[in-house]
Amino acid sequence: DSGVTQTPKHLITATGQRVTLRCSPRSGDLSVYWYQQSLDQGLQFLIQYYNGEERAKGNILERFSAQQFPDLHSELNLSSLELGDSALYFCASSAEGGYTGGYLAETQYFGPGTRLLVL
Amino acid sequence: ELKVEQNPLFLSMQEGKNYTIYCNYSTTSDRLYWYRQDPGKSLESLFVLLSNGAVKQEGRLMASLDTKARLSTLHITAAVHDLSATYFCAASGGYNKLIFGAGTRLAVHP
Repeated sequence: DSGVTQTPKHLITATGQRVTLRCSPRSGDLSVYWYQQSLDQGLQFLIQYYNGEERAKGNILERFSAQQFPDLHSELNLSSLELGDSALYFCASSAEGGYTGGYLAETQYFGPGTRLLVL
Repeated sequence: ELKVEQNPLFLSMQEGKNYTIYCNYSTTSDRLYWYRQDPGKSLESLFVLLSNGAVKQEGRLMASLDTKARLSTLHITAAVHDLSATYFCAASGGYNKLIFGAGTRLAVHP
């Protein structure tokens, strides 16, 4: 158990709908990262938040958005869902934001994931 | 743009044998990670490698990093069935966003 929690574990919805995925980082971790894992795209970085602010953005669609709240939990919102959005969505957390001059072995701890199926 | 390539993508090993998984990355990265994923499960951190020549070992797994060659290796010694999983390497692409390789699916059989 990494200490990172994600809800829900499974989500089945229809095309065009909107869903919210929730992540609680490990106690004391300030950074939250979202990743998408699919068979065709592999593991892709979506977005990172550090202490409530967006820090880095990856291959995140405009239909997707995220935020990190004052209690440091994060939500990933996926809207106008398409069949191709079906994937496993992971949240990860780390103590800092990674920008420490490269000298800190900062592990990202992954949550159990949310499996999204769009029908 | 940072890209990470792993090979092989599939590896069928006999118990007791040794093998190496290779991970190449395209541009400078200050950190290299190895993760393990069991089917339907999350990613488990194995190693974080920071500097050129870094070597880390845990049980039958040993990881190394050559930053000049932009190459990391994960060496498996005397494989056992419990090591069957998918192994990912990932390079840090700034602010610690991880760029993952495609993964190596390892199957260890008697």
